[in-house]
Amino acid sequence: RKEVEQDPGPFNVPEGATVAFNCTYSNSASQSFFWYRQDCRKEPKLLMSVYSSGNEDGRFTAQLNRASQYISLLIRDSKLSDSATYLCVVSDNYGQNFVFGPGTRLSVLP
Amino acid sequence: EPEVTQTPSHQVTQMGQEVILRCVPISNHLYFYWYRQILGQKVEFLVSFYNNEISEKSEIFDDQFSVERPDGSNFTLKIRSTKLEDSAMYFCASLSENTEAFFGQGTRLTVV
Repeated sequence: RKEVEQDPGPFNVPEGATVAFNCTYSNSASQSFFWYRQDCRKEPKLLMSVYSSGNEDGRFTAQLNRASQYISLLIRDSKLSDSATYLCVVSDNYGQNFVFGPGTRLSVLP
Repeated sequence: EPEVTQTPSHQVTQMGQEVILRCVPISNHLYFYWYRQILGQKVEFLVSFYNNEISEKSEIFDDQFSVERPDGSNFTLKIRSTKLEDSAMYFCASLSENTEAFFGQGTRLTVV
């Protein structure tokens, strides 16, 4: 299995800040990309899929750069409830062979 | 909303014992996975299962581990002769085509 890499953090930011996470993947055959959120001692939950054209969901924006093999997640106007670990997940074809990055821990401070 | 369910939520076992972790995937899903996460570490792939057989497994998934889907609904992970280092959260996941992976809430395995 090829690797997915992320800065483990922690990122400590004040409420209202904008924070960005990057993720790089080594398998050029990767086809599907996701950001999952994991709260402490809970299961990973899908935050958003990442499309080639980039996509936005409220305060969250995801970008994919296939040429450079990286994915980004931008969180605007961060809330205390955004504190979690953000997992970059890459799949080499849709529906199979998910590989997780180590996760980036975010703490949003009051 | 459909969900993946795992039982038990917490299992404590003595070193050397066998444990079976159970998962009920979402009913129309086709692909099933086991992952583990040692406390404070990354989520690690163990095995994927499709069409009633293992489709891929990691180096972690050695002869100590086995999976089966005995009755078309449950998806089990058996760990034989448990070791202290098997202590972790074990997550089951399932998906179908055109969906993301849905995870169960996990089983916390503690080997003492």
